[in-house]
Amino acid sequence: RKEVEQDPGPFNVPEGATVAFNCTYSNSASQSFFWYRQDCRKEPKLLMSVYSSGNEDGRFTAQLNRASQYISLLIRDSKLSDSATYLCVGASSNTGKLIFGQGTTLQVKP
Amino acid sequence: EAGVTQSPTHLIKTRGQQVTLRCSPISGHTSVYWYQQALGLGLQFLLWYDEGEERNRGNFPPRFSGRQFPNYSSELNVNALELEDSALYLCASKTGATNEKLFFGSGTQLSVL
Repeated sequence: RKEVEQDPGPFNVPEGATVAFNCTYSNSASQSFFWYRQDCRKEPKLLMSVYSSGNEDGRFTAQLNRASQYISLLIRDSKLSDSATYLCVGASSNTGKLIFGQGTTLQVKP
Repeated sequence: EAGVTQSPTHLIKTRGQQVTLRCSPISGHTSVYWYQQALGLGLQFLLWYDEGEERNRGNFPPRFSGRQFPNYSSELNVNALELEDSALYLCASKTGATNEKLFFGSGTQLSVL
């Protein structure tokens, strides 16, 4: 089983839709989580950190559920410019490795 | 302030050759991570350096190696190149603190013919 798993999608949604991605992790020692956005063949860029209390940044909301070992990303009022691959990352406190999921592709259509 | 810089941006090699990729972290960052991203696939963890030492490595053969210099810059070396080594190699840096986020360079696109 992979340490961090995501549904690769693609998720095809119309503009204005609300879309949610989940990411599960297997290493309970993972302490820190992040969502990154990656455009085609470019470097990943940090979207937001994920906290147990939830974290909101404009149209984006991230949540961490430690009991069920998953993190989520909610995008409201999708824009065409949101089309990208979204990567979740877990940082292990005992190994120091930051492990990426394989990414979820989002396509927002007009 | 300069971000993470990688060189070269593109590289074409043939099977069996050796390659060295370079990375300069953000000023003040002591940790450097290397990832491999083959076309259409996710980021695979390669190596992690912190304060000049290799702290962890992913499931890659020994022909993938590297080092970190006293100024925290890093090199990734790949010997005996194989076709499947063709990928985007991404370097990222962070401070040494556990919960800090990674910042990526724009990568080196390696093509092995």
